[in-house]
Formats: sequence, C-alpha cells, structure tokens
Amino acid sequence: LAKTTQPISMDSYEGQEVNITCSHNNIATNDYITWYQQFPSQGPRFIIQGYKTKVTNEVASLFIPADRKSSTLSLPRVSLSDTAVYYCLVGEWNSGNTPLVFGKGTRLSVIA
Amino acid sequence: EPEVTQTPSHQVTQMGQEVILRCVPISNHLYFYWYRQILGQKVEFLVSFYNNEISEKSEIFDDQFSVERPDGSNFTLKIRSTKLEDSAMYFCAREGPATEAFFGQGTRLTVV
Repeated sequence: LAKTTQPISMDSYEGQEVNITCSHNNIATNDYITWYQQFPSQGPRFIIQGYKTKVTNEVASLFIPADRKSSTLSLPRVSLSDTAVYYCLVGEWNSGNTPLVFGKGTRLSVIA
Repeated sequence: EPEVTQTPSHQVTQMGQEVILRCVPISNHLYFYWYRQILGQKVEFLVSFYNNEISEKSEIFDDQFSVERPDGSNFTLKIRSTKLEDSAMYFCAREGPATEAFFGQGTRLTVV
C-alpha cells in the first residue's frame, strides 16, 4: 500500500471551504484514493473514493491531478459538526480482502 | 445502506477474563472485518473474514483472538484471556459495493 502524508491538524471557521491535501508519491497504477472521516468514539465513515480527475458527492469533492501523486479532499462550507479526523488511504481496492491501513489522519477543528 | 450494529457499546472486564464482542453486519455480504483503536492511536486492522473463514490477519491477531460467524448473521470477536493492553475501541466493518468499508459504532473494551 502506498504511503500517505497528510497535515496533522487544520483549523477552520464555520462556513469556509476546507481543503485537505494528501501526498502519495509512490501510488501504483491500480491504486484508488479513499477518504474516511472519524468522529470521537465512533468508527471511521467512508466519505469519497476516486481514481483520477474529480469526484463529487453530497458530502465532499475529491480532486486528483493527472500525476496522481497527491489528492485534495474539499469540504464545502464546513460546520461545527465537521470537526473530526480525516484519513486518506491509497490502495488497490480490487477486492474486499485488502485490509485498510490507516495513518494518523488530519484532525480538523471547525471554530464558530 | 444498513449500518453495522455492534454490542455491547461498552464492556468492562477483569484481566484474564474472556470477552465476546458482537456485530450484526446484515447478511448477503462477503467480507467482514475487525479493527481496533487504542485511545489516541491509529485504527489498526485485526482480521478479515470471508465465506466463514479467516482471510487475512495482522500480527496483532494472535492466539488469544478468534472470530466466528455462528449463525450466519452475527459476527463475533472473542478474546480468550484479556490483558490490560487489550483496552481499546473495537470496530466491526463490512465490505461495501465499491470495496470501501462500512464500520460499526464500536465497542469500548476496558480491561481492569
């Protein structure tokens, strides 16, 4: 699994757009990029997954440049309830047998 | 998507006792997983379970641990003789349609 690097923490005010960038320089051809969110004392929650270019769902957008060596999770107009740890995972998700390897993630604190 | 349900939400046990953590992941899914998270640390993979057999396990998953799917619906993690260092949040997860994982809310195990 490709190693990922994310900022340890970020702060944001309510209503702002937050962009969390993840570096994965040794991403492999078959690897996908997946982001999870974790609130205190809860299990990680899948947010978004992508391979290249841009993916958008009702929660977030994921921007992946052409070289795929990094990705950016974009959270539009964050609220206090978006305060959580966000994890970037990179791996070949061709089967459910691939265990997820979590790093330390990025702790996002949203301030009123 | 139906969520994964874990019971109990919190369990306190004495060192050396056996504990069984339960998960109801809903049937018709192939892969199930157990992860754990020691307070303040990363989410760690323990074991994956496919077609009623262990598919992959980490070095953490030693002889003290076992998993079963006794009735085709419930999925259990047993720790035979708990140690203080087993205190953690334990998360059950199931495979999603795009090989993402859906996690339960977790069981907080406290070994005293």
